[in-house]
Amino acid sequence: NAGVTQTPKFRILKIGQSMTLQCTQDMNHNYMYWYRQDPGMGLKLIYYSVGAGITDKGEVPNGYNVSRSTTEDFPLRLELAAPSQTSVYFCASSYEQRAYEQYFGPGTRLTVT
Amino acid sequence: KNEVEQSPQNLTAQEGEFITINCSYSVGISALHWLQQHPGGGIVSLFMLSSGKKKHGRLIATINIQEKHSSLHITASHPRDSAVYICAVHNAGGTSYGKLTFGQGTILTVHP
Repeated sequence: NAGVTQTPKFRILKIGQSMTLQCTQDMNHNYMYWYRQDPGMGLKLIYYSVGAGITDKGEVPNGYNVSRSTTEDFPLRLELAAPSQTSVYFCASSYEQRAYEQYFGPGTRLTVT
Repeated sequence: KNEVEQSPQNLTAQEGEFITINCSYSVGISALHWLQQHPGGGIVSLFMLSSGKKKHGRLIATINIQEKHSSLHITASHPRDSAVYICAVHNAGGTSYGKLTFGQGTILTVHP
């Protein structure tokens, strides 16, 4: 099993550009999450999904969109990138939402200039 | 005040030393996680616990639910233990049910 994979690993965007961060898991997990990690701060939840076709906002959803058309894939879309979106983004998945281990992808380091 | 507080924020040790990282939380939880993040690397789960103590190799995690406190201990520390250690809790109720809330992380550096 590859676990949770993310692409790309690094990306530089200009202000106003858009991009999609890809996330795929092969563990047949229903629950998937997108987090951002800023220096000196704990990870913050952007969006999560409890299954194909179902998504919901986390703590910091502004400027992002998600979709979940399959169990495996959970892409994160940035529209009109802003410098405040410079961060490291982690995708994660778990078998169930509560009290189960979350498996993290390797992260995507995004810089918006 | 953050719901999950870790201390210390930075920790430097000599190889072989016994290390303790603390985590205090202010919400009701169903479980607590300790995670490890190496520089430039991804995040790996070390422990998930809801009571008592767990041990894996040189790592020991304890939790006191009444005091809302957990500790991660590393015995006989080694330079390869250098990483960021993150405490995260599963909220037990309300609108945040089941979601993880993260501490800021503790940066550990172990010198040979």
